[in-house]
Amino acid sequence: GAGVSQSPSNKVTEKGKDVELRCDPISGHTALYWYRQSLGQGLEFLIYFQGNSAPDKSGLPSDRFSAERTGGSVSTLTIQRTQQEDSAVYLCASSLVASGAAELFFGEGSRLTVL
Amino acid sequence: TQLLEQSPQFLSIQEGENLTVYCNSSSVFSSLQWYRQEPGEGPVLLVTVVTGGEVKKLKRLTFQFGDARKDSSLHITAAQPGDTGLYLCAGTSGGYQKVTFGIGTKLQVIP
Repeated sequence: GAGVSQSPSNKVTEKGKDVELRCDPISGHTALYWYRQSLGQGLEFLIYFQGNSAPDKSGLPSDRFSAERTGGSVSTLTIQRTQQEDSAVYLCASSLVASGAAELFFGEGSRLTVL
Repeated sequence: TQLLEQSPQFLSIQEGENLTVYCNSSSVFSSLQWYRQEPGEGPVLLVTVVTGGEVKKLKRLTFQFGDARKDSSLHITAAQPGDTGLYLCAGTSGGYQKVTFGIGTKLQVIP
């Protein structure tokens, strides 16, 4: 596709339910990032993929959060047993890994509201 | 943990005024980017700087990377209402290109 696509754009769920957020990166981009942005906050790093492997999972807030990437393309971020503090916009970005710089192309985000 | 501090966090100015926002860290970055984000959208890349002391100009926007590659500034000349948005700096480091973002500067330009 022309850009990074995320779905759903909005998700309202009840506390304790599981949610899955999907990211389709730009074709050919080998690197994929997930960030979380809470109201009035900057971007909080969650996880990074290079191909299908995740060299850095250090940003995942708890073991309720997991992510996978298949075929070097689509990625899914799963949040189990959602809590109200999980409410945020989840942003996905992809990039061509170039020496010296990683220029990220973002999707529009998935807004998650946990009631 | 590598942190990027941005200042000011909020800025409201009149159309036509000049402004500068700052991005500072105690860590060295191999490159630094500036992004702009509008409500309901993802951030969009404005510029990347990679060399200490580098200055880049993009129309009315001037970006500078500090000599030690620990800080950067964004200067806007004659601000326009279309410049309104959240400006984020982001630094790259590590062999796997981890990108760390600052908290952002929320700019409002009043017509």
